[in-house]
Formats: sequence, structure tokens, C-alpha cells
Amino acid sequence: GNSVTQMEGPVTLSEEAFLTINCTYTATGYPSLFWYVQYPGEGLQLLLKATKADDKGSNKGFEATYRKETTSFHLEKGSVQVSDSAVYFCALISWDGNNRLAFGKGNQVVVIP
Amino acid sequence: DAGVTQSPTHLIKTRGQQVTLRCSPKSGHDTVSWYQQALGQGPQFIFQYYEEEERQRGNFPDRFSGHQFPNYSSELNVNALLLGDSALYLCASTLWGANYGYTFGSGTRLTVV
Repeated sequence: GNSVTQMEGPVTLSEEAFLTINCTYTATGYPSLFWYVQYPGEGLQLLLKATKADDKGSNKGFEATYRKETTSFHLEKGSVQVSDSAVYFCALISWDGNNRLAFGKGNQVVVIP
Repeated sequence: DAGVTQSPTHLIKTRGQQVTLRCSPKSGHDTVSWYQQALGQGPQFIFQYYEEEERQRGNFPDRFSGHQFPNYSSELNVNALLLGDSALYLCASTLWGANYGYTFGSGTRLTVV
């Protein structure tokens, strides 16, 4: 079946540091890949997406590249701000008649001033 | 343009009771999915509705049921509530067959006591 694996544990870093959150996936066919962000007490917001291999999704300084050869979609940001503190979820949809989102467990990111 | 709206935002119920949660999809969307997000976890797929029919179902018991109305809005019903049903319930909408991902509401926080 489809599954998403995110690196374990929260991420704590200082303002202006470089952020990387790892995401790997298992899927049938050629999935679309997404990063969602959840701020405290809120629902999920779509941060960025990529729909085919080698696509790069980007938004608000965040980037992720769809790597089919390594089945990965790592999230990066060059210089984080305190306002980036949130939970980040990697997700996929596999367009094989089973178009449901499968999520990773999420990573809490805490940015310290 | 209104996004996905959910009601109520918070709810407290007693074990054994029944609850109904409501969702209005984003304008132009015709497909609604429901997710359960336990504390500290990623969202888990409950079911999906399109053309007023349940199209897919995740690994949830029959106590969880739903409905979609002709205006595409949807309800999630949970019978015989258990303490373990306490969670954030998220509604997400999209256009059937599209590959640009889902738009999420802010969720309903259900607490079962």
C-alpha cells in the first residue's frame, strides 16, 4: 500500500538556520507529493506540491524536489523564521483509483529567536 | 472565496453518545474526505464522498458513517462514542479527478469524556 515516512522527532533550530525535513514514500504508480503545514490549533494548509518526477515545489521560501530514484521529497528552507514554527506533514496521493491522501506522522519544528 | 468550513469548532460528548460534524467544501469542489487526527499523529483517512456516495473507506468501524448532500456539503456521524474517538476531525475537499491536492478545513475538536 501507500505510505509516507518522515524523520523521527521534533526539530529545534535557531532563527536564520537551514531547515531540512526528510520524507520518503512507498506508492503504486506515480504519486503526487505534498507538504502540508499545521499551525497550533488550526487545520492543515497546503505548503507546496509536485506532481511528477524531478518537479520542484516551492512556496514561502520552502522547496522540495520529487526524486523518483530515491522515492524522496525532502523539505528545505534556507533561513527559517520564528513564524515557521509549526508541524509539517509530508503526504501523497497515488492516482490508481485510490485517490486518498496518505500522511506521514509529521515533524514539529520549533524556531528559537 | 470561502474555503472549507467546518462546524462546530469544539465539541464535548459523553461516552456512548452520538455526534454529527458538518463540512462545507470549497467553492467549485465536489469531493469531500474526512480525516481523524489524534494528538501528535498524522491525519488518518476515514472516508470519501463524491456524487452523494461513499467512494472509499479507511480502516474505521461502522460506528463512523457519513453523508453528502446535493450541494456537496457533508456530515460525519459517529455512534456509541468511545474515549478513543477524541481527536481533531478534519474535512478536506477537492475536485474529483484533479491532482492538485486537497483543501482542508480548520477541523472540529471532539473530546469524549
